Amino acid sequence: AQKVTQAQTEISVVEKEDVTLDCVYETRDTTYYLFWYKQPPSGELVFLIRRNSFDEQNEISGRYSWNFQKSTSSFNFTITASQVVDSAVYFCALMDTGRRALTFGSGTRLQVQP
Amino acid sequence: DTEVTQTPKHLVMGMTNKKSLKCEQHMGHRAMYWYKQKAKKPPELMFVYSYEKLSINESVPSRFSPECPNSSLLNLHLHALQPEDSALYLCASSQGTRGDGAGELFFGEGSRLTVL
Repeated sequence: AQKVTQAQTEISVVEKEDVTLDCVYETRDTTYYLFWYKQPPSGELVFLIRRNSFDEQNEISGRYSWNFQKSTSSFNFTITASQVVDSAVYFCALMDTGRRALTFGSGTRLQVQP
Repeated sequence: DTEVTQTPKHLVMGMTNKKSLKCEQHMGHRAMYWYKQKAKKPPELMFVYSYEKLSINESVPSRFSPECPNSSLLNLHLHALQPEDSALYLCASSQGTRGDGAGELFFGEGSRLTVL
């Protein structure tokens, strides 16, 4: 069975601080995909990144960066110089190529104070 | 703006009512999904349609009935719901290619359902 664990329920930081959101996953599949989504108060889930199990390169997109480590089954997400607009719930998710459906972690609520 | 459109945004219904949630996408995606999200919880998969055929039903009670009339539309028919069914219902779509690879899911803003 697949499982995604986001141990941090809620994080509060002050604007301009860096923050890392942790994600640990479990799967028996050799081919799988990892995702991060952002859910602002409006409710829509906004896609941030997809990474497949064969690509362990870290990725940077503006203030966002992701660290994928298969050895520790982790896919962590860092926001550099956080801003108030980053306040949202962030979900890490796992997809196997068979079901093609996302299994979500429990989410981390990030509050960025001005 | 999301490219997956859900209507209505809010719905209040009694336990004896029959209502429907609608979802539409025009991205040419061939996989469509219904997820249910309770407050402060992650989305939970309900149904997956692939190429207009139901491919996954996560043991959802029969009072929820999905329908995929064509590749752009997805409905969720509701009948005899319970108050505990109150939640945000999210629709999503993806490329749903049959080959290798898994595209990201694009989500709508959801339909917030309250069952009295």
